Amino acid sequence: AQSVAQPEDQVNVAEGNPLTVKCTYSVSGNPYLFWYVQYPNRGLQFLLKYITGDNLVKGSYGFEAEFNKSQTSFHLKKPSALVSDSALYFCAVRDQAGTALIFGKGTTLSVSS
Amino acid sequence: DAGITQSPRHKVTETGTPVTLRCHQTENHRYMYWYRQDPGHGLRLIHYSYGVKDTDKGEVSDGYSVSRSKTEDFLLTLESATSSQTSVYFCAISESQGGGNTIYFGEGSWLTVV
Repeated sequence: AQSVAQPEDQVNVAEGNPLTVKCTYSVSGNPYLFWYVQYPNRGLQFLLKYITGDNLVKGSYGFEAEFNKSQTSFHLKKPSALVSDSALYFCAVRDQAGTALIFGKGTTLSVSS
Repeated sequence: DAGITQSPRHKVTETGTPVTLRCHQTENHRYMYWYRQDPGHGLRLIHYSYGVKDTDKGEVSDGYSVSRSKTEDFLLTLESATSSQTSVYFCAISESQGGGNTIYFGEGSWLTVV
């Protein structure tokens, strides 16, 4: 069965510092991994995805994610956090045959000025 | 933004009453989904559709039914609403299934069952 774990309910970082939001996954076969962001009272916005190829994936708003097959991880990163990055972040996984995405429970990112 | 419109956006209803949430898309995507979002659970799949009149159950389908009579519309019905169905409901769409196909989400419908 597919599953996703986001081990941190909340991540706090100061503006200008690098940020990491962690995600580990379990899936049979090749994983397809996604990150979404949700601002208050809004829907989920797609940030980036890993399909194959380069382990470092670049996405929207300066975010990137690193795929690590041996550690079954797909951590979201940004070199310099902005206060406007404060939001709820979801990691999701799907295998080749899967129809729907399986989501983690989400991590709240709080960036202080 | 993906062309997804959910209605109503906010609704308060009484226990035992039927409720229908509507999702309308303008992207002509084949796949449509209904998820619910609850604190501590992330998003969980209720039902999905892979074409007109073709639907299947997701992880938390009990108490819900769906219908898709047109490509652009996907309805979620709570036959007899319960307090445990108080949640935020998201419709989503994707062009095709599996693998790296991206799923795009609507803005959500906030449902409170009192």
